[in-house]
Amino acid sequence: QVQLQESGPGLMKPSETLSLTCTVSGGFISTYHWSWIRQPPGKGLEWIGYISYSGSTNYNPSLQSRVTISVDTSKNQFSLRLYSVIPADTAVYYCARARDFDDYFAWGAWGQGTLVTVSS
Amino acid sequence: QSALTQPRSVSGSPGQSVTISCTGTSSDVGGYNYVSWYQQRPGKAPKLMIYDVTKWPSGVPDRFSGFKSGNTASLTISGLQAEDEADYYCCSYAGSHTLIFGGGTKLTVL
Repeated sequence: QVQLQESGPGLMKPSETLSLTCTVSGGFISTYHWSWIRQPPGKGLEWIGYISYSGSTNYNPSLQSRVTISVDTSKNQFSLRLYSVIPADTAVYYCARARDFDDYFAWGAWGQGTLVTVSS
Repeated sequence: QSALTQPRSVSGSPGQSVTISCTGTSSDVGGYNYVSWYQQRPGKAPKLMIYDVTKWPSGVPDRFSGFKSGNTASLTISGLQAEDEADYYCCSYAGSHTLIFGGGTKLTVL
């Protein structure tokens, strides 16, 4: 059974670059699509973007100018970079795997999430 | 993109049925049959409950069912159980390889 684990800094200052990594075990990252989704404290879910097994990426238009998602197949990991963070980027960040090989509409496996706080 | 519209809260007694609505536009919910629903218990990651409007992932009980009419999708939970108490989020494909979530609905089992 696939497992996903996020890792990254818990606390950041405004204007810094957030880097998160999702390590995948129990499955190959070179299949499926992989996504980042975040949730500000006490609020709803927000889709950030996804990367396909071919390496192509798609992003939320509201974040597109500040986001990069990449994959490292040698480490079975994919990553999120969010540039010039602001306090409103404070959230639990989840990585997720698509439900099926050719699906990028539904996310069937999730990491436990990691809280990132942006504060001066 | 604005979040899909969900009621902030719904409630029901054990054994009853509840329905959660998710309203979007013809550019998202109404334009594609790619609506999914997620259950999120406090402090936990979301769990996929319904995909492609009406389909169940393996292991999800058929007490959960999905439907769509026009720009509004809905999730119905029948035979309500205490363990169903959670937040529920809808999500829709919005074209151009983008997704949009609803604001979430808190289900209380009385």
